[in-house]
Amino acid sequence: DGGITQSPKYLFRKEGQNVTLSCEQNLNHDAMYWYRQDPGQGLRLIYYSQIVNDFQKGDIAEGYSVSREKKESFPLTVTSAQKNPTAFYLCASSPRTSGRATDTQYFGPGTRLTVL
Amino acid sequence: AQSVSQHNHHVILSEAASLELGCNYSYGGTVNLFWYVQYPGQHLQLLLKYFSGDPLVKGIKGFEAEFIKSKFSFNLRKPSVQWSDTAEYFCAVRDSWGKFQFGAGTQVVVTP
Repeated sequence: DGGITQSPKYLFRKEGQNVTLSCEQNLNHDAMYWYRQDPGQGLRLIYYSQIVNDFQKGDIAEGYSVSREKKESFPLTVTSAQKNPTAFYLCASSPRTSGRATDTQYFGPGTRLTVL
Repeated sequence: AQSVSQHNHHVILSEAASLELGCNYSYGGTVNLFWYVQYPGQHLQLLLKYFSGDPLVKGIKGFEAEFIKSKFSFNLRKPSVQWSDTAEYFCAVRDSWGKFQFGAGTQVVVTP
């Protein structure tokens, strides 16, 4: 059963703690992405990675960190430096970034993080 | 920096009415354009996409969109909506570097 998995679905943390959100895909996709979704603001890109061991900052990377040690995994750490971490976080992947018609993004179910 | 603008944040309409959602983007280079839909409690899923060729693209569930390069627009349309079209709709643009930019989304509510 192919797809993107994000775990857990709901996550609660105390203020000041770092937390890592999991994203795994078994689609053999090269590119992976992290977004946060806030009401009225759509999806905002945090980080993306086009290949293993390489990643780029998106529009709102401050307070976040990522790693891409394996093709299928792209974990996101929300650090204590992120001022408004409570949000819905979405992970996505796409086959490649060459601009071909198959390069559609596929999304995971998301993780709702609440920082208390 | 590129940006994507969706004209309406909320749209309420009756079943069988026609729907048009506006999307404009600002980016001078080659772009790929997408509309995604998020039904209540479900994943974001692709509705349709434009990469090249015919600027009028057809997607799932009777949706279509027209790419007008001169206006930097990619408006979504459906001639007759159903209650099941109630969802949030997102326009997205991908630039030549592989970076995606999404609009703020339009919440569409279809009343019976």
